[in-house]
Amino acid sequence: GAVVSQHPSWVICKSGTSVKIECRSLDFQATTMFWYRQFPKQSLMLMATSNEGSKATYEQGVEKDKFLINHASLTLSTLTVTSAHPEDSSFYICSATETTFATGTDTQYFGPGTRLTVL
Amino acid sequence: DAKTTQPPSMDCAEGRAANLPCNHSTISGNEYVYWYRQIHSQGPQYIIHGLKNNETNEMASLIITEDRKSSTLILPHATLRDTAVYYCIVLLYGQNFVFGPGTRLSVLP
Repeated sequence: GAVVSQHPSWVICKSGTSVKIECRSLDFQATTMFWYRQFPKQSLMLMATSNEGSKATYEQGVEKDKFLINHASLTLSTLTVTSAHPEDSSFYICSATETTFATGTDTQYFGPGTRLTVL
Repeated sequence: DAKTTQPPSMDCAEGRAANLPCNHSTISGNEYVYWYRQIHSQGPQYIIHGLKNNETNEMASLIITEDRKSSTLILPHATLRDTAVYYCIVLLYGQNFVFGPGTRLSVLP
């Protein structure tokens, strides 16, 4: 299957600083990428949908000014957590969609995740 | 809201088949059934998906009932590395994936 990478795998930062997470589709072009957040013992929650060359679409309750998303190319999307606070500590996961036109289906391939700890 | 219902947890003996059920009684004709799994502290891994017909790949088999109101994911010979949370997701082409709580499968030695 298609491969999606994330960098970094984990990061620890001080409260008030900003953290950038990169998501790359390695062997396919992804028009659409997604960012999820997962708290301990909970399921994934969609934060935003990122389309190449346009503004991201944020889910209700997700602050767009705090979670800046840039999708500058078909293989790269970045999530920047600005002025991070301890409550932003979470597991952030990106995914990219590969469309199988023969069947008209989208399959999402997920990155390995980035664990953010804000002190 | 997730459109599926799965048991919260299941156990399976190593080497035996793991059969994970999923109810999706409100599925529409054009909605696909997708299965993903998430091993602890990793991103979800795609397993298989289908519309009406049963599907099989190198990882698993997907059995969809004739009325499409339920499906079963089958791992033919479960190993300890198959211990994970398994998610059944129903959606139309172009829709966002919505993850429910899934089924926590424990493969026991």
